[in-house]
Amino acid sequence: GAVVSQHPSWVICKSGTSVKIECRSLDFQATTMFWYRQFPKQSLMLMATSNEGSKATYEQGVEKDKFLINHASLTLSTLTVTSAHPEDSSFYICSARLGQLGNTIYFGEGSWLTVV
Amino acid sequence: ILNVEQSPQSLHVQEGDSTNFTCSFPSSNFYALHWYRWETAKSPEALFVMTLNGDEKKKGRISATLNTKEGYSYLYIKGSQPEDSATYLCACNTDKLIFGTGTRLQVFP
Repeated sequence: GAVVSQHPSWVICKSGTSVKIECRSLDFQATTMFWYRQFPKQSLMLMATSNEGSKATYEQGVEKDKFLINHASLTLSTLTVTSAHPEDSSFYICSARLGQLGNTIYFGEGSWLTVV
Repeated sequence: ILNVEQSPQSLHVQEGDSTNFTCSFPSSNFYALHWYRWETAKSPEALFVMTLNGDEKKKGRISATLNTKEGYSYLYIKGSQPEDSATYLCACNTDKLIFGTGTRLQVFP
């Protein structure tokens, strides 16, 4: 199957700083990339959908100024958590899809963010 | 709001047992149903994508069925092995992919 790589796997940052998470599709061009967040014992919650070259579409309740998403190329999307606070500590995971709705969506390994 | 429900939440079976779990989803605006297998510290692995009512898919000892009219899908594992231990996620695709909370399967030798 296709490979999606996410980096870093673990990050600890101080409250008030920003942290960037990268998501790369290694062997295919991803038309659409998705960012999810998961809190303990909950399902993966969609944060935003991004298409290459256009602004991300954020889900209700997700602050776009806090969670900056950039999808500048067909193989790279980044999520920047700005002015991070301890309540932003969570598991963040990206996924990527080639082509149409209903095609297989491939996931990265996820990133654990801890804000201290 | 689209709710995708999975049951049971967790399952413990003996090696060699066959098992199945359920994913239910609202049948309106349905486009596709995805099943993933997720082992700790790894990426979720895509198992199946199903779109048509009555679809059945098989991959080795794992198979899945889809009923879009009543809004459910079953995942079956025949002759469970310890390496099948993982969380199995389903996700319903409308214009976005909405996940259930998963079924955590543990297979004991």
